[in-house]
Amino acid sequence: DAGITQSPRYKITETGRQVTLMCHQTWSHSYMFWYRQDLGHGLRLIYYSAAADITDKGEVPDGYVVSRSKTENFPLTLESATRSQTSVYFCASSDPGLAGGETQYFGPGTRLLVL
Amino acid sequence: ELKVEQNPLFLSMQEGKNYTIYCNYSTTSDRLYWYRQDPGKSLESLFVLLSNGAVKQEGRLMASLDTKARLSTLHITAAVHDLSATYFCAVALPIGNQFYFGTGTSLTVIP
Repeated sequence: DAGITQSPRYKITETGRQVTLMCHQTWSHSYMFWYRQDLGHGLRLIYYSAAADITDKGEVPDGYVVSRSKTENFPLTLESATRSQTSVYFCASSDPGLAGGETQYFGPGTRLLVL
Repeated sequence: ELKVEQNPLFLSMQEGKNYTIYCNYSTTSDRLYWYRQDPGKSLESLFVLLSNGAVKQEGRLMASLDTKARLSTLHITAAVHDLSATYFCAVALPIGNQFYFGTGTSLTVIP
């Protein structure tokens, strides 16, 4: 029962480079989310997806790109990394069902440092 | 945009004492979630509150929701060291599945 996994767990990159963070879930949840966590801001939503091939912007989408060709995968790409994108990135998934209200389940996180 | 405020941001309390963390939000919603995060770890779901007056309890933690006041509380009873962590509340919009998180309450329980 793998649940939700993220890779890499740690990443150091340089300003201007492209970086892709991977997220994989084994529950077949319809919804998937990307958050960033920074001191003083809690968690902020970057992008989310309601199903394969359906994505939408969250609070802080600038500088990020997502895709979702398969239900189980939701990669996040930083097209040209900047120092302000140094953060801890969490992927989450949920399956609201007919009644809604289901909690979100979080991956272990990716710690990204942009030099 | 939905705004979620938690207070206090930092809480240091002695073992055996009681305390309450507050979560206020700015827009009508009847879906409120509490999470726990240990240092360097991911978020763990604690409670799901889906209606006005909902109350959930697990061990020394009890969460409640007052949708009319747009307020949720997380009450800690007879704190123990193992409860030291950061606690987040999150609110979902009435439509859709986007969550808005509070900034978190960092709790330290002192022996």
